[in-house]
Amino acid sequence: SAVISQKPSRDICQRGTSLTIQCQVDSQVTMMFWYRQQPGQSLTLIATANQGSEATYESGFVIDKFPISRPNLTFSTLTVSNMSPEDSSIYLCSVERGRGKLFFGSGTQLSVL
Amino acid sequence: GIQVEQSPPDLILQEGANSTLRCNFSDSVNNLQWFHQNPWGQLINLFYIPSGTKQNGRLSATTVATERYSLLYISSSQTTDSGVYFCLSGGSNYKLTFGKGTLLTVNP
Repeated sequence: SAVISQKPSRDICQRGTSLTIQCQVDSQVTMMFWYRQQPGQSLTLIATANQGSEATYESGFVIDKFPISRPNLTFSTLTVSNMSPEDSSIYLCSVERGRGKLFFGSGTQLSVL
Repeated sequence: GIQVEQSPPDLILQEGANSTLRCNFSDSVNNLQWFHQNPWGQLINLFYIPSGTKQNGRLSATTVATERYSLLYISSSQTTDSGVYFCLSGGSNYKLTFGKGTLLTVNP
């Protein structure tokens, strides 16, 4: 398994501001994944973060809106920039252990007013 | 990409009842996982089961890869089983994709 610490656990933000979410893993991993879960919906992959290279974004997500840092093999951040109410979601980080098994952090519940 | 369909979308049970949740996927996969998201949003990996059958306490899962489906069985359900159950599927030719989930409510 994996111990993944994510913070903040929740936040209420004003429109136009930015929020940075942190994800810390208990051991080194090659890839870290960031997901978004809109209210009442399933999970959608935002991007894959590799240490030492730029993140790979999925269709519909851009670096200017969701910049990601991956300074080392146990840590990553996701920033939600210039927020609007449509960004209100749960954001989750995830890692892969052993042949593709995914483990998730506890999530960040974001509300944008 | 791969299509992942879960059924039923919603399920209401009385405590003690059994249930079966289904996940259909549109093509051959080598990765199939079941997750439980509790009412507080935490996602727990229940099974990694690209084929065969596994059991963990009151929960078991079976994947028939050749027929492109997986089943999650919950026996003697408890109120703590409430939440959303997600199927995640993918493989070498497809990115991992979540189904839309089954919302399970277990009433006391």
